[in-house]
Amino acid sequence: QVQLVQSGAEVKKPGASVKVSCKASGYTFTTYGISWVRQAPGQGLEWMGWISANTGHTGFAQQLQGRVSLTTDTSTSTAYMELRSLTSDDTAVYYCARGTNYGDSKYWGQGTLVTVSS
Amino acid sequence: QSALTQPPSASGSPGQSVTISCTGTSSDVGGYNYVSWFQKHPGKAPKLMIYEVSRRPSGVPARFSGSKSGNTASLTVAGLQAEDEADYYCSSFAGGFTLVFGGGTKLTVL
Repeated sequence: QVQLVQSGAEVKKPGASVKVSCKASGYTFTTYGISWVRQAPGQGLEWMGWISANTGHTGFAQQLQGRVSLTTDTSTSTAYMELRSLTSDDTAVYYCARGTNYGDSKYWGQGTLVTVSS
Repeated sequence: QSALTQPPSASGSPGQSVTISCTGTSSDVGGYNYVSWFQKHPGKAPKLMIYEVSRRPSGVPARFSGSKSGNTASLTVAGLQAEDEADYYCSSFAGGFTLVFGGGTKLTVL
C-alpha cells in the first residue's frame, strides 16, 4: 500500500532553517511528483510547491519563492522540503502528498509540526 | 497567485444537499479542468474527494460530486451525513507547475 512517512516535529528559532523529509513506499517513486502543503494554526491549507520525482522540475508558491527548496533522493524514495529564514508565521503543520502537478493528491503524509519560537 | 474564493461556511440538515462554490480566474479555475476538492478533519491529513473537476477517487461516496462553470467550480454533497462535517478546500492548477488553494469552507451538519 502507498505510504508517505514524514520526519518528526521540529522546534526552530527565528532565522533558522528546517528540513522535513517524506519517505515514500508502495509505489515506484519516480512515477509521481510530491506536493508540499502547510496549515498554520487556525488557518487554511496553503500550497507551497511541487517537485517531479522523475525530472526534478519544480514549482513554488510565489510568496515562498527564494525561501523554499524541494529535492528528492530517488535512491531512498525520499522527498525533502527545506524552508529558510523562518519566522513565527511559518509555524504550521507541513504535509507532503503524492500526485501530479495538477493537484490530484490522493496519498498524504501524516504531517510534521514545525514550531518557530524564540 | 491569489487564493481561490470560497464561502467561509455552509450548512445543511442530514439528508439534505449542500453546494460549496470556489471562484477563481481565467488563469486558474476557468483556464483548466484541474480543480480538486479536499476534505479536512481536525488533526487529520486532507482527503482527496474530487479531482479533474468531477472525477471521484475510488472509495469516495457517489454523494460527492463536482462541476465547473466558467471561473467557478462547485462541490455538491448530497444526502448529508454527520461524518461529512469538516472543512472543505478547493484547489486549481494555475499553469506551469503551480497550484492554488481556496480559503476553505466549514461545513456544518445541523
